[in-house]
Amino acid sequence: QKEVEQNSGPLSVPEGAIASLNCTYSDRGSQSFFWYRQYSGKSPELIMSIYSNGDKEDGRFTAQLNKASQYVSLLIRDSQPSDSATYLCAVNILRINTPLVFGKGTRLSVIA
Amino acid sequence: GAGVSQSPSNKVTEKGKDVELRCDPISGHTALYWYRQRLGQGLEFLIYFQGNSAPDKSGLPSDRFSAERTGESVSTLTIQRTQQEDSAVYLCASSLGTDWYNEQFFGPGTRLTVL
Repeated sequence: QKEVEQNSGPLSVPEGAIASLNCTYSDRGSQSFFWYRQYSGKSPELIMSIYSNGDKEDGRFTAQLNKASQYVSLLIRDSQPSDSATYLCAVNILRINTPLVFGKGTRLSVIA
Repeated sequence: GAGVSQSPSNKVTEKGKDVELRCDPISGHTALYWYRQRLGQGLEFLIYFQGNSAPDKSGLPSDRFSAERTGESVSTLTIQRTQQEDSAVYLCASSLGTDWYNEQFFGPGTRLTVL
């Protein structure tokens, strides 16, 4: 099992819809979870961090964490074409000697 | 405030040459990370520095790769005798520390092309 898994996509949603991006992780002891957005040809940009079970909202973005299920998701409400990018999930995996492990990302395409 | 900066933004070199890539972290960030991203691929962790501690070199792909950091400031990633498979974007990130809650912020990257 990979340490951090994401569906590679592409995930296509119509403009104005809710985009739901999912991530599972292997280490039940993980404590911190991050979502990055990476536009084509650009570097990753941090958009959300979450540390506790439940939902965390920031504008059109909501991160959801369920530690029992080892599952973290990112919801994007009122999706816009400018949201089209690859979304990377990052998790601290305690047994691996690096502070964060990144998933391979999900490519989101918002269709106007 | 200033973010993470990297130079050069692009580097084209010939196979067998050595290259140096530079990263300047956010002021006050004690932790610094190097990643590699090949075209269309995910992030590959290379090495990180935390304060004055010895760096974790476990992710370096071969002994041709090395990195240094002066105190808690600039870092240089050196690739000796470059190979075509070294072509990638090299990303640097920094964070306040390496505790579990610390957020990493990325620089714009250096695109390396080995001919």
